Formats: sequence, C-alpha cells, structure tokens
Amino acid sequence: RKEVEQDPGPFNVPEGATVAFNCTYSNSASQSFFWYRQDCRKEPKLLMSVYSSGNEDGRFTAQLNRASQYISLLIRDSKLSDSATYLCVVNGQFYFGTGTSLTVIP
Amino acid sequence: EAQVTQNPRYLITVTGKKLTVTCSQNMNHEYMSWYRQDPGLGLRQIYYSMNVEVTDKGDVPEGYKVSRKEKRNFPLILESPSPNQTSLYFCASSFGWGDQPQHFGDGTRLSIL
Repeated sequence: RKEVEQDPGPFNVPEGATVAFNCTYSNSASQSFFWYRQDCRKEPKLLMSVYSSGNEDGRFTAQLNRASQYISLLIRDSKLSDSATYLCVVNGQFYFGTGTSLTVIP
Repeated sequence: EAQVTQNPRYLITVTGKKLTVTCSQNMNHEYMSWYRQDPGLGLRQIYYSMNVEVTDKGDVPEGYKVSRKEKRNFPLILESPSPNQTSLYFCASSFGWGDQPQHFGDGTRLSIL
C-alpha cells in the first residue's frame, strides 16, 4: 500500500463549480500535512498547510480527518486559473501523492 | 528574494558522461532534498540532507550521488548517466525536517540519450 494515495483525476469542472479532492495516508502517526499546487512542468508551490482544526484561505478549505486518515481540499467558485495538479504531502518531505489534475472549463 | 536555484534548467547529454546539477538556497535552511518526477509516478525522493555533511538515501538513490559541504549547496551528481535517468528533477529546502513545507527550485529537465 502506498503511503499517500490520491485520485489522479482528471477532474474537469465548469467555472464557478465547487470541487473537492481527498488524499488518504497510511501512517497513523503522521503529524504534518500540506497541499501543493503544480502547474504543468513547473515546480510545486505550497498552497496551504492542513491543521487539525481545518483551515481556510479565501476560496480554499483544507481539512484533516485523523480517524479515517485522509486530508481534503475544497475549492469553491473555481476559476480558470485554478487549473493545475494538486499534490498532497504528508510529513513534510517524505510522502507525496501523485497528484490530482484539475481543469476548470469556461 | 528567498529562492532555491537549480542549474542547468535543461540538459541533453549522452550515456556515461558525468554530470552535476547544482542546487543553492539562500534561506539558511538546514534541510535539502532532491526529487525526480516521472509521469504517473509523482515525486520520488532521491537523496536528502538534514545538515552539512549529513546525507541519506531516499526512495530512488541508485545511480546518483550528493554532497553537502556547505549549508546552502546540495549538488546532485550522476557519475554515469543512463537513459532511465531521463526525468524532471527538483531540488527543495526547508527549515525543519518533517513538519515544515518545502521550497522548490524551478526544476531541471534532463534527457540522457
């Protein structure tokens, strides 16, 4: 079983839609969680950290469910510029998901 | 400007010709690492370093070497490159180990013919 698993997608959604991605992890002792965004052939960039209580940054909401061992990313009111691959990362450096591809359609 | 700088950005070379990809960060980060990214496989860690003179293997270290003689630099060395090392490579750094997000370089696209 992989340490971190993501649905690769692709997710194709219309502008203005709400879309959610999940990422499951296998190590119940994991302590730190992040979502990164990666545009095609570019470097991953930190989108947001995921805190135990959940956190929100504008249209983006991240949540952690320790009991079921997954983190989620919710994007509201999708913009064309949100089109990218979203990577979940567990424990900072070691465990990357393979990414979920999102395309927002006009 | 805080950044991780990789060079070269692109390189096409031939099998067996030693090459080095440099990585430098100006954020005084202790932790640095190298990844390769291949379609369908995501980011895989090659080597990491927790501090000067401290390096360790990641998931896919075969065929690669690294060194950490200074805090800011973490070069990736391919002693005898082979076509299966054709990939997109990223260097990254962070303050902490395991609990801090990483800052990534722009990436190096290597093609080994």
